[in-house]
Amino acid sequence: GENVEQHPSTLSVQEGDSAVIKCTYSDSASNYFPWYKQELGKGPQLIIDIRSNVGEKKDQRIAVTLNKTAKHFSLHITETQPEDSAVYFCAGSQGNLIFGKGTKLSVKP
Amino acid sequence: GAVVSQHPSWVICKSGTSVKIECRSLDFQATTMFWYRQFPKQSLMLMATSNEGSKATYEQGVEKDKFLINHASLTLSTLTVTSAHPEDSSFYICSASRAGVSYEQYFGPGTRLTVT
Repeated sequence: GENVEQHPSTLSVQEGDSAVIKCTYSDSASNYFPWYKQELGKGPQLIIDIRSNVGEKKDQRIAVTLNKTAKHFSLHITETQPEDSAVYFCAGSQGNLIFGKGTKLSVKP
Repeated sequence: GAVVSQHPSWVICKSGTSVKIECRSLDFQATTMFWYRQFPKQSLMLMATSNEGSKATYEQGVEKDKFLINHASLTLSTLTVTSAHPEDSSFYICSASRAGVSYEQYFGPGTRLTVT
C-alpha cells in the first residue's frame, strides 16, 4: 500500500521568510496530493492540492510542486506570517488519503 | 462551498456509556464520508469509509461493533462509540466527498471525546 513520508517534523522560520515542507510517496499509482493545515483543536483545512498530470500549482503565497519521477512533492509558503503557524499534513491518494506525519510550522514575529 | 460540520464539538462521558457524533455536509451531497481518529501530536488515522445507504468499510484493527457508523442520507453520517472506555478518548474527525470526486475530502472541525 501507499506510504507517505513527511519532513521536517518541526520547522521554525522568521516572519517574512519562506518555508518548505517535503513529502515522498511510495505508490506510483497515486494521482492526487493535497496539503492540509490544522490549527490546534480544529479539523484539517485543505489549502492546496495537485493532480499527477500537473507539475506545479500556485495560490497566492502558497505553491506545491510535484516530481512524479522521484515521487516527491513539496509545499512552499512565501512571505510567512505568524498566522501561518500550524501543523501541515501532506497526503497521497489513489482513493483513500494516506497522510504524512505532519510538520509543525512556527513563524516567529 | 464544501462545508462540513460536526456535533458535538466536545463531549465528556462516563466509562461504559455510548456516545454519538454527527457529521453533516452543509452545502453539498456527500456520497462518501470518512471517519478519522487523531491522538495528540499525531497524524490522522482512517477508521472507516461509508457510502450513503451502504455498510461502512472498516480499516484493519478497528472494531466495527464498537464504532458503529451509519450513513443514512447524503448529508449525514453518525459515529457511535459504544461502551466507551478511557482509551477511546481521542479527537474524532469526519470528512466528506462528492460523487465522482471521492479523493477530494472536506473535513469537519472534529469532536473531542473524553471518557472518564
